[in-house]
Order: sequence, then structure tokens, then C-alpha cells
Amino acid sequence: NAGVTQTPKFQVLKTGQSMTLQCAQDMNHNSMYWYRQDPGMGLRLIYYSASEGTTDKGEVPNGYNVSRLNKREFSLRLESAAPSQTSVYFCASRFTQYEQYFGPGTRLTVT
Amino acid sequence: KQEVTQIPAALSVPEGENLVLNCSFTDSAIYNLQWFRQDPGKGLTSLLLIQSSQREQTSGRLNASLDKSSGRSTLYIAASQPGDSATYLCAVLPSASGTYKYIFGTGTRLKVLA
Repeated sequence: NAGVTQTPKFQVLKTGQSMTLQCAQDMNHNSMYWYRQDPGMGLRLIYYSASEGTTDKGEVPNGYNVSRLNKREFSLRLESAAPSQTSVYFCASRFTQYEQYFGPGTRLTVT
Repeated sequence: KQEVTQIPAALSVPEGENLVLNCSFTDSAIYNLQWFRQDPGKGLTSLLLIQSSQREQTSGRLNASLDKSSGRSTLYIAASQPGDSATYLCAVLPSASGTYKYIFGTGTRLKVLA
């Protein structure tokens, strides 16, 4: 099992550019999450998907959109990147009542 | 609003020492609590999950306890090793969140000196 995979690992964008971060899990988990991690701020939830076909906002959703493409895949889209979106982005998945598993992260810099 | 605090932010101990990491939360209405380890530049690795009905969980040299009434969890590491050096994070799942939205602490950065 690969667990939770994320692509790309690193990305540099100019302000105003768009991109999609990809996440996939092979553990048959129903819930999937997108977090961002910033120094001194901890992990903050951007969006989550409780099950295939549903998505909901987390703590910091502004500037992002998500798609739960199928049970395995959950993508995060930045339509018009801003320097404030420079961060490390983590995808996670979980089966109800059980522990979360995290991907290796995407390090995004917006100049 | 649920808040999660981890103090201290950083800790250095000599190899072989037993140590305790702390996690405090403001609302005792939680579904579960999870401890993670994060190595520099890496993702989070799950260490232990404690359901609200449990008092503790053990895995190897690690033991996590939960006291909901006082809003505290501790992670005990026995006979620490340099390989234990990492940042340790706790996360709580509030009961009111519909079992989906975890709240994370900012972590304790542990350094075990050889």
C-alpha cells in the first residue's frame, strides 16, 4: 500500500497563477482532508470531504476550491495564487472513528 | 471554541531519559485524541489514537493517557533515543464537529542528545 500520496512535492508560482494539488489514497478511506501548515500556526483545515460526493469548508477555505473526484482522489485548486498561500499543504485520509493518515506534503511558494 | 495547547514548545533531554509531553484542550467534549510525530520536512506519522471512552493507549516505548475532565493528555516516552528527535503534535476531534474536523496543537519539538 502506498498510503496517501501527493503531487507535486514542490511548486513555485507567481502571484495570480493557478494550480491544482493532487491527493490519492489506497486505503479505502471515506474521509479526506486538506490542511496547510505555517510556522507558529500549526495545522489548519482548509476543506474536507466526509464521503465521496461531499465537500465542506474548514477553518481557512478562502482562495481554495476542492473536488472529490472519486473515493480515492481529493484535489485542491488555487485559482489565483497569492503570497499568503505560501505554505506546506498536507492531504490526509481516515476511516470513520479511526486514525488519520497523512501524505508527505507539497511545499508551495508564491512570489 | 476548542483550543489545543502544547507546552513546552521545545525540549532537550539526554539519551535514556524518560519524558512526558503535554497536550491541553479547553472543551472536554471530544470524540478522540491522536498523537503524531513529524520529522523535519516530512508529513505526520500517527503514533497513538485514544477514543473518548479510553484512559490510555500503549505502543512499544510510547504510552498516551487521556483525562477528559481536566482537558489533558500526556505522551510518555520511555528510555528516549536520538531517533526520537522530532516534533510531536496532538489533535483532538471535538464531539460537536460531526466527527470530521480535527483541531491541532502547535507541537513540541523534542531533541534527544546522544
